Amino acid sequence: AQKITQTQPGMFVQEKEAVTLDCTYDTSDPSYGLFWYKQPSSGEMIFLIYQGSYDQQNATEGRYSLNFQKARKSANLVISASQLGDSAMYFCAMREPLRNTDKLIFGTGTRLQVFP
Amino acid sequence: DAGITQSPRYKITETGRQVTLMCHQTWSHSYMFWYRQDLGHGLRLIYYSAAADITDKGEVPDGYVVSRSKTENFPLTLESATRSQTSVYFCASSELSGASNQPQHFGDGTRLSIL
Repeated sequence: AQKITQTQPGMFVQEKEAVTLDCTYDTSDPSYGLFWYKQPSSGEMIFLIYQGSYDQQNATEGRYSLNFQKARKSANLVISASQLGDSAMYFCAMREPLRNTDKLIFGTGTRLQVFP
Repeated sequence: DAGITQSPRYKITETGRQVTLMCHQTWSHSYMFWYRQDLGHGLRLIYYSAAADITDKGEVPDGYVVSRSKTENFPLTLESATRSQTSVYFCASSELSGASNQPQHFGDGTRLSIL
């Protein structure tokens, strides 16, 4: 069965430093998509970045980049130059592959706290 | 404004009562989803719908009922609420996309407390 694992319940980072949030996944299908969402204290889910299993390059979106290591089945989120507003819960998710259902499987999340 | 809206934002009810959470999207997305978020579990899929009149169970469907008579609406009903259904509920929608990079778009959530 498909599974997403986020092993870091909480992370601390100083403002302006970079931080890596870990995500590993398990699937036997060759085609899949990986997503990262941010959930600030206000509660909404904000889409950050996407990586497809066939993408040759690591995805980047502004200060967010995805360190995609397919052989290791990991898709770590890297936030560069952290800001106080980056303090939030971060969820890694995988689209259920080859089923054409668009379902997402979520990890348990990592709470990031950025301090001055 | 186009988007996905959930109502109510907050709800308190008693065990045994029926409660319906509403979800409305203006994008005409084919897929709609209901998740619940609990500490230590992340988001878990309750039900999803691929189109009007097509629904299917997710990971944790017991105690919930859904319907989708119109593309834009996807209500979630707890027929006889239990304390274990106290949670934050999120509705989401997405294009018919298969393995594309289109993300699911989430509503702001409904915080449901069952006393």
